[in-house]
Amino acid sequence: DSGVTQTPKHLITATGQRVTLRCSPRSGDLSVYWYQQSLDQGLQFLIQYYNGEERAKGNILERFSAQQFPDLHSELNLSSLELGDSALYFCASSVATAGVGETQYFGPGTRLLVL
Amino acid sequence: SQQGEEDPQALSIQEGENATMNCSYKTSINNLQWYRQNSGRGLVHLILIRSNEREKHSGRLRVTLDTSKKSSSLLITASRAADTASYFCATDDGTGRRALTFGSGTRLQVQP
Repeated sequence: DSGVTQTPKHLITATGQRVTLRCSPRSGDLSVYWYQQSLDQGLQFLIQYYNGEERAKGNILERFSAQQFPDLHSELNLSSLELGDSALYFCASSVATAGVGETQYFGPGTRLLVL
Repeated sequence: SQQGEEDPQALSIQEGENATMNCSYKTSINNLQWYRQNSGRGLVHLILIRSNEREKHSGRLRVTLDTSKKSSSLLITASRAADTASYFCATDDGTGRRALTFGSGTRLQVQP
């Protein structure tokens, strides 16, 4: 158990819908990262937050957005869903962004299926 | 886009044998990490090696890093059936962004 929790574990929805994925980082971790894992694209970085502020963006679509709240939990919002958005979405956390060797701890993931 | 490529894509060995997986990457890095993923589940961190390190050990794991060749290898000694999983290398791209860029993974099957 990494200490990172994600809800829900599974999500089935229809095209055009909007969903929210939730992540609680390990106690004491200030950074939260979101990754998407799909069969065709592999594991890809989406976005990072540090202590409530957006720190870095990766291959995140404009239909997707995220935020980190004062209690440090984070939510990833996916809207106007398409079939191709079906994937595993992982959240990871780490202590901070400083330093050159930081382990990221991953949650169990949310499996999204868009029908 | 994928930073790294793992080689081989799939590996099948017998219990007790050693398994070696290789990873190549494209840009300069601060560190390289190896993760294990069991069948569509979460990623488990195995080991981190910094760019100024050449070799690191953790239990039955041995990781090497050659920054001149932009490559790393993960050796699992005396493999067990429980080691069956996909293994990914991930690099911190050195820009300070700290996001990880993952390779395509090696699927390891350890036959009991």
